[in-house]
Amino acid sequence: QQQVKQSPQSLIVQKGGISIINCAYENTAFDYFPWYQQFPGKGPALLIAIRPDVSEKKEGRFTISFNKSAKQFSLHIMDSQPGDSATYFCAASSNGANNLFFGTGTRLTVIP
Amino acid sequence: EPEVTQTPSHQVTQMGQEVILRCVPISNHLYFYWYRQILGQKVEFLVSFYNNEISEKSEIFDDQFSVERPDGSNFTLKIRSTKLEDSAMYFCASSQSSYEQYFGPGTRLTVT
Repeated sequence: QQQVKQSPQSLIVQKGGISIINCAYENTAFDYFPWYQQFPGKGPALLIAIRPDVSEKKEGRFTISFNKSAKQFSLHIMDSQPGDSATYFCAASSNGANNLFFGTGTRLTVIP
Repeated sequence: EPEVTQTPSHQVTQMGQEVILRCVPISNHLYFYWYRQILGQKVEFLVSFYNNEISEKSEIFDDQFSVERPDGSNFTLKIRSTKLEDSAMYFCASSQSSYEQYFGPGTRLTVT
């Protein structure tokens, strides 16, 4: 059973463009939704996270949009840069069951 | 900035051998986790550990696996009799609360 579904599998964006990655979940008990960035050979690095009591969270060029009724959340990377080229994972967890359920990942390539 | 460290970075072992993967979580963190990532796939939860005991484990974490916090700083994952399908990147993570999890750089385990 796939707790968190992520799309697209890969994404190519021009430098300066907007990268958008989408995730959907089924478990309504989830109450924490982080995004992780992973470079080849490295561990996942926490990028930004949101709780379901807000619909949007912005940190620098990174924004999470959250739609509780649709059970969907997305990551927007504004002014995408070649250094943003990495694999991005969405995840979800619920309080009291603190393991993260990861999406399948999106490989982002930002072309100069 | 404090970070999770893991040793070794790469471990090669023969099928049937025991391996111990080591992690030093961030010092004031209370929750500890092990995840694994088979090459090219998503990150999967193995086990969480809090207050010197396992708080949750996945179906992957069978009797061949065990975890231990032998002292105040280390957190270990032992695989008693490795199988070919145990080949993966193993990530340790820690968190202060049950939410924000910070991952180490991983140990690449190769079982031959």
